[in-house]
Amino acid sequence: SQELEQSPQSLIVQEGKNLTINCTSSKTLYGLYWYKQKYGEGLIFLMMLQKGGEEKSHEKITAKLDEKKQQSSLHITASQPSHAGIYLCGADWTGANNLFFGTGTRLTVIP
Amino acid sequence: ETGVTQSPTHLIKTRGQQVTLRCSSQSGHNTVSWYQQALGQGPQFIFQYYREEENGRGNFPPRFSGLQFPNYSSELNVNALELDDSALYLCASSLPTASGNTIYFGEGSWLTVV
Repeated sequence: SQELEQSPQSLIVQEGKNLTINCTSSKTLYGLYWYKQKYGEGLIFLMMLQKGGEEKSHEKITAKLDEKKQQSSLHITASQPSHAGIYLCGADWTGANNLFFGTGTRLTVIP
Repeated sequence: ETGVTQSPTHLIKTRGQQVTLRCSSQSGHNTVSWYQQALGQGPQFIFQYYREEENGRGNFPPRFSGLQFPNYSSELNVNALELDDSALYLCASSLPTASGNTIYFGEGSWLTVV
């Protein structure tokens, strides 16, 4: 959907390389959530961002929220095969914790 | 460990039948939402329950209905199943934290309609 766009749709990187996934919302964000999903499994919570300029990190994954652009980026440093999967951003546009998801970014990490 | 568990993990139903999917979450998870995820797509919001009442609904017909119980468990019921209902159904519950609500998902229930 153009209301929430993720890019790129797929990404293949060599192990050890850095990468960035972007998520752009056409509406004002109340909150932006990042999840990782292995095929056919549930969503693993990574991070939630609410405030403009907010940046959060967990292990080698960092996410930032640009309030002016209504855009978030997810950055992985020194990628590993364990990072492979589908990364989904979910937008909360109302504050009611109902998320609208993009179609995801499929990440492959080549050893 | 998300604290959200779903059952069954897989099931097969025939077109026209009815199905009930179940979800349980831990104490403190005050809202529960259900999502449908078709192959290759992101999850789509079906509806949300808060304090046992429906509190928001996505673009899904009335044959998709739900219940939330006082013990933090929930059900998704789908009547008159159609082939297009085949999907992964995800339950999500939100846990209030100091920095806002964290939304956790279960492992999902794979429904195949034949």
